[in-house]
Amino acid sequence: GENVEQHPSTLSVQEGDSAVIKCTYSDSASNYFPWYKQELGKGPQLIIDIRSNVGEKKDQRIAVTLNKTAKHFSLHITETQPEDSAVYFCAALDDKIIFGKGTRLHILP
Amino acid sequence: EPEVTQTPSHQVTQMGQEVILRCVPISNHLYFYWYRQILGQKVEFLVSFYNNEISEKSEIFDDQFSVERPDGSNFTLKIRSTKLEDSAMYFCASSQQGADNQPQHFGDGTRLSIL
Repeated sequence: GENVEQHPSTLSVQEGDSAVIKCTYSDSASNYFPWYKQELGKGPQLIIDIRSNVGEKKDQRIAVTLNKTAKHFSLHITETQPEDSAVYFCAALDDKIIFGKGTRLHILP
Repeated sequence: EPEVTQTPSHQVTQMGQEVILRCVPISNHLYFYWYRQILGQKVEFLVSFYNNEISEKSEIFDDQFSVERPDGSNFTLKIRSTKLEDSAMYFCASSQQGADNQPQHFGDGTRLSIL
């Protein structure tokens, strides 16, 4: 079955700088890669997703890249703000969603 | 924006008792899911449900668990003979179409505490 690895587990970034979270997946049949943001006491909220026929997608300060050959995908957040502090999960989907272990992002003032 | 709603937000139950977690998916969604998140760990898939039957389940979803859509709006997860290790956050999610290529929208979860 699918296995998703996510790094780093914790990331501290100065406000205004960029943050990058990286994931790898194992099943080449996976074709959909959502990213979720989870704030304290809340459920995961979809922030951006990418499908396997696309290499990059951008939505304002958030971008995702996908390298199907290497089975890598990454989340990039630019001009980070305090409200970006949260836990971020990558996921890969074949017949069901498999989540990574999460990255706790701290935005430092 | 439409939301997935879950009740209760926190459920405390004695070990061995049965518990029912409730979810109201987004109204035009047809696919429903339950996930579990043990404290500090990743979100784990439990089960998917479509057309009044289970379409996929994980190894976690054993005979202790069952799901039901008792009416046109609710989607429930029943856990029988609860164990201490069932303590976790349980998230419901829904999507318009099947899991592949369709975003799933999550509720805010039910915190289940087994004493």
